[in-house]
Amino acid sequence: SQKIEQNSEALNIQEGKTATLTCNYTNYSPAYLQWYRQDPGRGPVFLLLIRENEKEKRKERLKVTFDTTLKQSLFHITASQPADSATYLCAHRNQAGTALIFGKGTTLSVSS
Amino acid sequence: EAQVTQNPRYLITVTGKKLTVTCSQNMNHEYMSWYRQDPGLGLRQIYYSMNVEVTDKGDVPEGYKVSRKEKRNFPLILESPSPNQTSLYFCASSFGQASSYNSPLHFGNGTRLTVT
Repeated sequence: SQKIEQNSEALNIQEGKTATLTCNYTNYSPAYLQWYRQDPGRGPVFLLLIRENEKEKRKERLKVTFDTTLKQSLFHITASQPADSATYLCAHRNQAGTALIFGKGTTLSVSS
Repeated sequence: EAQVTQNPRYLITVTGKKLTVTCSQNMNHEYMSWYRQDPGLGLRQIYYSMNVEVTDKGDVPEGYKVSRKEKRNFPLILESPSPNQTSLYFCASSFGQASSYNSPLHFGNGTRLTVT
């Protein structure tokens, strides 16, 4: 079955540092990966999508990489702020196109 | 404002008492889906719909029903709720298939259900 793993359940960093979150996938090579942000008790919100032929994608302080050889995506938040504290979810669509499969998420805490 | 609206936000009920969680989207999306989110298990798909009158099971459909009579609405029905259905539920939608390249999933704000 298609799986996505986010290795760290929690990541604690200081304000101003760069946060790096890891996402690994197995058993299937998706055409693109997506990253979502989820605040407690709220629905996930789409952040970025990266296609398999794109090595890197940026949006403001966010950067995503996609390594199809390693079957891994890295999600970076530069100059992190306490407002960046949330759970970040990696996801890819299943082969049938009927579902988005999510990792369990990494909860980021940024302290001032 | 483009959004997915779920109701209610919180619901406490007893075992066996039928309930419906409503979901409505105003973006004219073909695809809609229900997920449940549990600690340690993440988001799991319950049912999905590719368009009006087209629904199918996801990974954890037991104990749930859905209907898609109109494009904008996709209610989740629990005919006889049990305590193991206590969870946080999310409705989501997108154009075309599930979260296509040009149309990521839009989620509602969730319904926290407790079954005692």
